[in-house]
Amino acid sequence: QVQLVESGGGLVKPGESLRLSCAASGFTFSDYYMSWIRQAPGQGLEWVSYIGSSTKYIDYADSVKGRFTISRDNAKNLLYLQMKSLRAEDTAVYYCARFLEYGDVWGKGTTVTVSS
Amino acid sequence: EIVMTQSPATLSVSPGERATLSCRASQSVNSNLAWYQQKPGQAPRLLIYNSFIRATGIPARFSGSGSGTDFTLTISSLQSEDFAVYYCQQYNNWPRTMYTFGQGTKLEIK
Repeated sequence: QVQLVESGGGLVKPGESLRLSCAASGFTFSDYYMSWIRQAPGQGLEWVSYIGSSTKYIDYADSVKGRFTISRDNAKNLLYLQMKSLRAEDTAVYYCARFLEYGDVWGKGTTVTVSS
Repeated sequence: EIVMTQSPATLSVSPGERATLSCRASQSVNSNLAWYQQKPGQAPRLLIYNSFIRATGIPARFSGSGSGTDFTLTISSLQSEDFAVYYCQQYNNWPRTMYTFGQGTKLEIK
């Protein structure tokens, strides 16, 4: 079945880096735009970044631009989010989603906690 | 940035009754609006896109309407599994994005 599984979350200190991964299965990964969306504790949803099927199109929310980098490996059906210079306000559950204009398939999320 | 405002923040409705949730955009998003349902500890689930089109597998009791700045999600006869948080999301101006979500409406059992 169609599935997305995130990994790589954890506890890091402010200023540190972390790389999230998302493994896709059950669909032709290379055909789809993908996004990362996050949700801070007790808060709503915030779109973070998207990447086109061939990486030609990439965009970021202003809140992460210059610090986060999205990438993908279509041969391995993997989506990544490299996060640098992490801040306390980046603490959230990070979801990957099959997401062009809206997300029709979501993973269960991975938790990132930024705290000293 | 387009700001999405949902109302009310919390809606208390009895099972079997109708629920009406609202979402307003700070500027026109045409019909580029989606609705999601999120239950505690779960990922969001797409319900509606393009303002009124139900996603695959979504029951007919869920319906969406509106265009421009004002949108409505209606659940015609609430089932126990419908009590959750609902988010709207705009996707106007793709590919220059900044997709934005509303802050959510919590639908609780009355």
